[in-house]
Amino acid sequence: EAGVAQSPRYKIIEKRQSVAFWCNPISGHATLYWYQQILGQGPKLLIQFQNNGVVDDSQLPKDRFSAERLKGVDSTLKIQPAKLEDSAVYLCASSSLRFTYEQYFGPGTRLTVT
Amino acid sequence: ELKVEQNPLFLSMQEGKNYTIYCNYSTTSDRLYWYRQDPGKSLESLFVLLSNGAVKQEGRLMASLDTKARLSTLHITAAVHDLSATYFCAATNTGNQFYFGTGTSLTVIP
Repeated sequence: EAGVAQSPRYKIIEKRQSVAFWCNPISGHATLYWYQQILGQGPKLLIQFQNNGVVDDSQLPKDRFSAERLKGVDSTLKIQPAKLEDSAVYLCASSSLRFTYEQYFGPGTRLTVT
Repeated sequence: ELKVEQNPLFLSMQEGKNYTIYCNYSTTSDRLYWYRQDPGKSLESLFVLLSNGAVKQEGRLMASLDTKARLSTLHITAAVHDLSATYFCAATNTGNQFYFGTGTSLTVIP
């Protein structure tokens, strides 16, 4: 079974530029999560999708961040414009609707904003 | 919002010793997860605890859940260097949103 795929793995941009991250979840997983992990901290949930609908985006800075999950499969997370404090690892995870709701994480995208 | 606290934040222990990492959460949660993260890597699922009194063991790691006390523990038995990593716990709310603790950075010294 293929795992969660993310790209790019690394990205360096200047502040005020825009950037997009892509995630392909495990096949058949209905729920997809985007997390932000700042160095030395635990992951913080940004947005949760179930199929192609948003379940929770209460911690997504909507003035600059946006996300979509077209056709309930792949997802993209966009930041526009980026700020220095957006430097972090962006993790995508997916889970099925089985009882455990166990999450499987992708390798992450390390974003550096200069 | 569900708050999750871990302690200690940093743990340095000698090989062969035992220790426990604690995870407290603020509101009712029926499920508790433990993950491991190696430097520069993503999170790897270790345990899923689904009910009060649940105990799971894998090798030198054992996790337990007390939902009444809102407490989970990760016990390390006879630590070895390969266990050096950061360990996170996460609790979920009724909407299946995951809230992570701050992590415990474990270093096992030979």
